[in-house]
Amino acid sequence: QQKVQQSPESLTVSEGAMASLNCTFSDGTSNNFRWYRQHSAKGLEVLVSIFSDGEKEEGRFTAHLNRANLHVSLHIREPQPSDSAVYLCAVVTSGGNYKPTFGKGTSLVVHP
Amino acid sequence: ETAVFQTPNYHVTQVGNEVSFNCKQTLGHDTMYWYKQDSKKLLKIMFSYNNKQLIVNETVPRRFSPQSSDKAHLNLRIKSVEPEDSAVYLCASSLQDSGNTLYFGEGSRLIVV
Repeated sequence: QQKVQQSPESLTVSEGAMASLNCTFSDGTSNNFRWYRQHSAKGLEVLVSIFSDGEKEEGRFTAHLNRANLHVSLHIREPQPSDSAVYLCAVVTSGGNYKPTFGKGTSLVVHP
Repeated sequence: ETAVFQTPNYHVTQVGNEVSFNCKQTLGHDTMYWYKQDSKKLLKIMFSYNNKQLIVNETVPRRFSPQSSDKAHLNLRIKSVEPEDSAVYLCASSLQDSGNTLYFGEGSRLIVV
């Protein structure tokens, strides 16, 4: 069964400093990865999707995927206080039932 | 812009009562889901449903049941709530059940006293 783990659990950065979040997964056949963001008492919004090794940029958000290392990361360039939220990694297993497995999230706080 | 609408956003009830949460999506998607999010923010899928198939997570207690009138609506009914049902319930939809992006509602928080 797919295991998705995120680190760190919480992260505090200053406005403008790069924020880096990590996600590891257990099933090497996984081929579909997304990063979602959840503001307090809100639903999730997708930030970036990545399906092959390398990087994918969506605005200030860049995902890096290394399937050999079972690792996908999210880098937030010039984070702002409005980026303070919980960031969730979602991994879909190839050949499975296409349901994503979510990590427990990283709580990001961006100080002005 | 919100396109998955959940009601109510918040509900407090006593053990043993019946609760229903409603969900409607205006995205034209054909697959809808219910997730449970616990106090530690962990998301666990409960049901996924399209017009062909209902898939139930086998760990979901039988007191939970999905109800759908058409592909734009998927409600969640809890027959007799228990304290461990206190959580946020998130509805989502996607285009086809093929690993596509999920679009979430804002959640329905249930507190069982």
